[in-house]
Amino acid sequence: SQQGEEDPQALSIQEGENATMNCSYKTSINNLQWYRQNSGRGLVHLILIRSNEREKHSGRLRVTLDTSKKSSSLLITASRAADTASYFCAIIGNDMRFGAGTRLTVKP
Amino acid sequence: EAGVTQFPSHSVIEKGQTVTLRCDPISGHDNLYWYRRVMGKEIKFLLHFVKESKQDESGMPNNRFLAERTGGTYSTLKVQPAELEDSGVYFCASSQYYRTGEKAFFGQGTRLTVV
Repeated sequence: SQQGEEDPQALSIQEGENATMNCSYKTSINNLQWYRQNSGRGLVHLILIRSNEREKHSGRLRVTLDTSKKSSSLLITASRAADTASYFCAIIGNDMRFGAGTRLTVKP
Repeated sequence: EAGVTQFPSHSVIEKGQTVTLRCDPISGHDNLYWYRRVMGKEIKFLLHFVKESKQDESGMPNNRFLAERTGGTYSTLKVQPAELEDSGVYFCASSQYYRTGEKAFFGQGTRLTVV
């Protein structure tokens, strides 16, 4: 299975702090993507990093990829209460697989 | 541009009944995926269509689940007969090109409750 595994399962921080979430996987990948899910809604694509890239930025998001360790991290800087959501990494090989996600709570 | 549409948004059925979920992907998207999430656990892969063909259906729990994608457009997921453990939120996603791993667009999900 190419399923991703996120950690931590839950993360609670204060507004303004940075949040780091990690994702590990077991097989080779085409690319890795991060998605966000607000309660009761569908997943929304955040950022994509290809297997030949090591780091990517998008606004307050920073994603790293280490293919030798088969891991990725998502950093959200200067967090806001509106960032409260579940975050999932998607492992893209022949298809698209997810893990259980990290539940982020940002306290105002 | 319309997004991915799923309906119904909610369904409550009794054990043993049949339910059919529908997903309308974004027009022109080759890839269509079905997932299920149970009680805040992992988003479990069910199957992947490329156009009208089942590329991978290894995640389908058992033969009570049947997925189709007519003419490579919309898809249906039928559960017959439904069991209690089938409860969860069923998500559909679509993306444009096979094997390029472009970003996927998700529907809002169908919350299925089997009582």
